[in-house]
Amino acid sequence: NAGVTQTPKFQVLKTGQSMTLQCAQDMNHNSMYWYRQDPGMGLRLIYYSASEGTTDKGEVPNGYNVSRLNKREFSLRLESAAPSQTSVYFCASSELRTRESGELFFGEGSRLTVL
Amino acid sequence: AQSVAQPEDQVNVAEGNPLTVKCTYSVSGNPYLFWYVQYPNRGLQFLLKYITGDNLVKGSYGFEAEFNKSQTSFHLKKPSALVSDSALYFCAVRDMYTGTASKLTFGTGTRLQVTL
Repeated sequence: NAGVTQTPKFQVLKTGQSMTLQCAQDMNHNSMYWYRQDPGMGLRLIYYSASEGTTDKGEVPNGYNVSRLNKREFSLRLESAAPSQTSVYFCASSELRTRESGELFFGEGSRLTVL
Repeated sequence: AQSVAQPEDQVNVAEGNPLTVKCTYSVSGNPYLFWYVQYPNRGLQFLLKYITGDNLVKGSYGFEAEFNKSQTSFHLKKPSALVSDSALYFCAVRDMYTGTASKLTFGTGTRLQVTL
């Protein structure tokens, strides 16, 4: 009963390096999301994928790219990391049907530090 | 646009006392409202939600929340706090009609500290 699984849990990068955060869900949800959490700012949406084959920008997409590899997997890539991208990243999934609330189910987070 | 305000960075309460964590929201249409809890170094866990119907909704761990449309508020409450309730609490909102994705907007979070 894994739910939403994120890897890696911790990562330290140097400025300019690239990396990919992986996310997989086993709940057969259509929609997946990437949020970042920063102190005093709550969670902000980076990108989301409403369904397999589609991706859209959220509130803070600059510096990131995403890939919806299949229905289960949604990855977040930092092409050239910057110190401002030091954060905790959360992947989430949901199923939104008519008259349902579509609450999000979150992974445990990936803590990224950019030096 | 949708937004959420959590006016208190921290709420302190003694164990056994009632607690309230405040949340106000803004959406253009009808709101769907959520409360999540985050324990240290963990992901967010769903507590409860308001969709429609009864203004008082009950959730996990004895928490409840009251929806007030006129005040655009959705305060989280618990009659008797426990030390184990100490955590970071997030309120979130989305408009009822946001297409096929559930794009939630979160507040900045309120840290609840329950002491003996």
